Amino acid sequence: SQKIEQNSEALNIQEGKTATLTCNYTNYSPAYLQWYRQDPGRGPVFLLLIRENEKEKRKERLKVTFDTTLKQSLFHITASQPADSATYLCALGVSGTASKLTFGTGTRLQVTL
Amino acid sequence: EADIYQTPRYLVIGTGKKITLECSQTMGHDKMYWYQQDPGMELHLIHYSYGVNSTEKGDLSSESTVSRIRTEHFPLTLESARPSHTSQYLCASSEPPGSGGVTDTQYFGPGTRLTVL
Repeated sequence: SQKIEQNSEALNIQEGKTATLTCNYTNYSPAYLQWYRQDPGRGPVFLLLIRENEKEKRKERLKVTFDTTLKQSLFHITASQPADSATYLCALGVSGTASKLTFGTGTRLQVTL
Repeated sequence: EADIYQTPRYLVIGTGKKITLECSQTMGHDKMYWYQQDPGMELHLIHYSYGVNSTEKGDLSSESTVSRIRTEHFPLTLESARPSHTSQYLCASSEPPGSGGVTDTQYFGPGTRLTVL
């Protein structure tokens, strides 16, 4: 069956360090993968998109990699700040699924001083 | 901040009541979605729409129904609420594909936290 896995345990890191979050998937052939940020009690907010033919994407302090052989995406936040504390969701889009996304459970990131 | 709104933000209601969760967007997006999310769990798609008079059921079976009479409005209705319907309901819309193909970046509303007693 199709499955998207993100670390269920919270990731705790110190301010200024690089946070790395993992998204693994099985039985999917995604056309693209998106990362979202979700704060408690609010809807997710889009951060980055990477297509199947792209290896890496960057936006300010954010970097996403996409390895279709390993079936994995890594999401990096460099020089992390307490304001980066949130839950980060990965979502897969598959060709021919009529614009639908499938979301992972998310990983909660806690950045401490 | 996305221009997509949901009301009410919080709703506590008794079993058997009929409820409608409102969702509106001012971005002119054709595609809209309803998700259900329990605490610490993934978002599950329960309904989606490609445009006016188009509605489809999502991947997660739901007893709710939706309608799309206007582009900007996508309400969700529960005819008879039950405690099992207690959850957070998130509405989203997506922009048209950019150059290079389908992207479907989704913009979410703040959600409605529903509690059925």
